[in-house]
Amino acid sequence: QQQVRQSPQSLTVWEGETAILNCSYENSAFDYFPWYQQFPGEGPALLISILSVSNKKEDGRFTIFFNKREKKLSLHIADSQPGDSATYFCAASAKRGGGADRLTFGKGTQLIIQP
Amino acid sequence: GPKVLQIPSHQIIDMGQMVTLNCDPVSNHLYFYWYKQILGQQMEFLVNFYNGKVMEKSKLFKDQFSVERPDGSYFTLKIQPTALEDSAVYFCASSLARRDAEQFFGPGTRLTVL
Repeated sequence: QQQVRQSPQSLTVWEGETAILNCSYENSAFDYFPWYQQFPGEGPALLISILSVSNKKEDGRFTIFFNKREKKLSLHIADSQPGDSATYFCAASAKRGGGADRLTFGKGTQLIIQP
Repeated sequence: GPKVLQIPSHQIIDMGQMVTLNCDPVSNHLYFYWYKQILGQQMEFLVNFYNGKVMEKSKLFKDQFSVERPDGSYFTLKIQPTALEDSAVYFCASSLARRDAEQFFGPGTRLTVL
């Protein structure tokens, strides 16, 4: 049972367009949602994150929209650049007594930005 | 930015042998993690570790797996004995000791069990 789902699996957009990556989850206890960016041969790197108390988080060209009722979120990459071509992972975790987060990842969206 | 290092980058071993994957976490981090990613699948949590102890482990963290960080050196994942299904990329991560702290990931160790 996949707790975090991402779509599309692959996305190609033209440079300058807005890329929209989707994520949905099943566990109502999830309250922290980081998005990670991964380039080939490297480990994932945190791009932007949101807590479930918010419905929007912006950081430069990157925006997360969060809908708690529908258990959905999306990552919008505005004015996309060829350097944004990477795999993007949506992850989620639930608050636990131990403190450390146990991240549940989606399968990722491979984003290609065409110049 | 802060870097997590993993050694080796690729390891090939025969089924039944022991393997140790090494992670050099960010220096002031206190939480450590291992994740496993099978080709084409999502990354899955194995274990997290703090103050010399396993805090939480998933069902993927079999009895053949163990973790330790002796005297503040490498954070290691040991598999003994290995099985064919252990073939995967193993990612180490570290973070500050607080809820929703950013987890910094290493580049991964690709383990191939023959």
